[in-house]
Amino acid sequence: QQQVRQSPQSLTVWEGETAILNCSYEDSTFDYFPWYWQFPRESPALLIAIRPVSNKKEDGRFTIFFNKREKKLSLHITDSQPGDSATYFCAATSGGNYKPTFGKGTSLVVHP
Amino acid sequence: DMKVTQMPRYLIKRMGENVLLECGQDMSHETMYWYRQDPGLGLQLIYISYDVDSNSEGDIPKGYRVSRKKREHFSLILDSAKTNQTSVYFCASSRDSPNERLFFGHGTKLSVL
Repeated sequence: QQQVRQSPQSLTVWEGETAILNCSYEDSTFDYFPWYWQFPRESPALLIAIRPVSNKKEDGRFTIFFNKREKKLSLHITDSQPGDSATYFCAATSGGNYKPTFGKGTSLVVHP
Repeated sequence: DMKVTQMPRYLIKRMGENVLLECGQDMSHETMYWYRQDPGLGLQLIYISYDVDSNSEGDIPKGYRVSRKKREHFSLILDSAKTNQTSVYFCASSRDSPNERLFFGHGTKLSVL
């Protein structure tokens, strides 16, 4: 059973548009939700993260919106740039088991 | 300099051979991980290590074993490699807390022929 689901699988936007990447989860004990991005031929790196005490986390052009009741979150990338083209992974961790679970990723392409 | 180092970067093995992937970190992190990444499947956790000789299975441990004899080193061993173990393997580390960021190595691309 897939614990963390991401949609869409791939997304293409034009430079300057807002990209919206979605994530949902099953386990209500998850209490930490990091997003990692991965550029081609590189390793994943932390982009931004949120804990359920907040429903929004902002870092520059990147914002996480979190809905605990619906077990959903989304990553909004405003004013998208070609350099944002990467695969984005939503992950979740429960304080009880230390084992981060990753979604399958969303591949984002930003056209100039 | 915070770094997770993986060796080797690329590896080609024949089916049935043994494989050793090595990982080191210089951040004194207690927790270390091995993931594999396949196209369209994201990152799948193979094993997690909470400290020296304190290892736990992840979601896909079958066909793999690990060794952690020093806090800074974590090895992944494939005994008698199979073709379906062809993948990119990532090692990661984090501080000893359930909700901490992972630092990833650059990955090892393993091909089993």
